[in-house]
Amino acid sequence: AQSVAQPEDQVNVAEGNPLTVKCTYSVSGNPYLFWYVQYPNRGLQFLLKYITGDNLVKGSYGFEAEFNKSQTSFHLKKPSALVSDSALYFCAVRAFAGGYQKVTFGTGTKLQVIP
Amino acid sequence: NAGVTQTPKFRVLKTGQSMTLLCAQDMNHEYMYWYRQDPGMGLRLIHYSVGEGTTAKGEVPDGYNVSRLKKQNFLLGLESAAPSQTSVYFCASSYYPDTQYFGPGTRLTVL
Repeated sequence: AQSVAQPEDQVNVAEGNPLTVKCTYSVSGNPYLFWYVQYPNRGLQFLLKYITGDNLVKGSYGFEAEFNKSQTSFHLKKPSALVSDSALYFCAVRAFAGGYQKVTFGTGTKLQVIP
Repeated sequence: NAGVTQTPKFRVLKTGQSMTLLCAQDMNHEYMYWYRQDPGMGLRLIHYSVGEGTTAKGEVPDGYNVSRLKKQNFLLGLESAAPSQTSVYFCASSYYPDTQYFGPGTRLTVL
């Protein structure tokens, strides 16, 4: 069975510092990986995805993520955090499961950027 | 282009009452999904559809039913609401099982 783990419930970072939100996955076969962001009282918004190719994926709002096959990780990063980046971040993986494509979401990581 | 819309935004039910949540998308997407979001649990898939007239069970389908009579609409029904169904419900759609576009959510409280 495929799974996604976000080991940190909350990440605190000072404004202007680099941030990392961690995600590890477990699938059979090649994964498609996603990051979504959820602002308070809103639905999830797509940030970026990895399908194949370059291990460093660039997305919206200056975010990027690094795919590491050997460590089965897909960590979200940003060089300089903004207070407006404070939100809930979800990692997701898509892979074949029982003959169809299944998407599994992690439990989310709350990012708090401190002014 | 409204994207994905959900009706209603808020609802309070008494135990045993029924209701239907409506999701509509104007992006001509084939796939549609219903999720529930609970603290510490992330998003859990209730039911999904891969096209008009099709539905399938997700991770937590018990107590819910769905219908996809039109491509643009995906309805989620609760026949006899229970307090355990208090949650925030999100609808999403996608052209393929790839990037999903989410609605704003429905906050449901069952007393």
